[in-house]
Amino acid sequence: GAGVSQSPSNKVTEKGKDVELRCDPISGHTALYWYRQSLGQGLEFLIYFQGNSAPDKSGLPSDRFSAERTGGSVSTLTIQRTQQEDSAVYLCASSPRSTGELFFGEGSRLTVL
Amino acid sequence: AQSVSQHNHHVILSEAASLELGCNYSYGGTVNLFWYVQYPGQHLQLLLKYFSGDPLVKGIKGFEAEFIKSKFSFNLRKPSVQWSDTAEYFCAVKRAGTALIFGKGTTLSVSS
Repeated sequence: GAGVSQSPSNKVTEKGKDVELRCDPISGHTALYWYRQSLGQGLEFLIYFQGNSAPDKSGLPSDRFSAERTGGSVSTLTIQRTQQEDSAVYLCASSPRSTGELFFGEGSRLTVL
Repeated sequence: AQSVSQHNHHVILSEAASLELGCNYSYGGTVNLFWYVQYPGQHLQLLLKYFSGDPLVKGIKGFEAEFIKSKFSFNLRKPSVQWSDTAEYFCAVKRAGTALIFGKGTTLSVSS
């Protein structure tokens, strides 16, 4: 596809369950970012990848959060034992360079009941 | 820790009014500066960027921003807003080797 693709677009889960969110970046983009967007909190940085490696994981809120990227392409963000405060829109973005020009997906809205 | 501050949480304007949204960042050194915009129901998109050179940069839809290094600021301006400018605006800063960090955003509401 032409843009960044994220799935699922909406996910409702019960507290304590694990969830996986997927991001398919624009082909050829080497940098991939995950952010969390909550009302009044703006965009909270979670993690970014350059190729398959993650130079900066400092934004992951707890050890329940993890992410991987394989083949320099698709990335998966995993949240284990979800809590209600994990409810948010999780945004993925990719970039062909490390300049900061990002192309965003539509986001995955996670609701934890 | 690096931080990006946007001074206005919610701005309400009438059409044709002038707009200025403030943005300050907390660290020195060479930075790349951005404004991103999120229109209602749409994904985030780049509005304008500054890497180097002329500190006054122009973006899409008549927006411009001025980088003032001494003030660590990158304020967004538009001389005359339109109803279609209603959106959330995010300032973002990147240093080499680090992630792109966003401010908390400013919601702009323009009444016709």
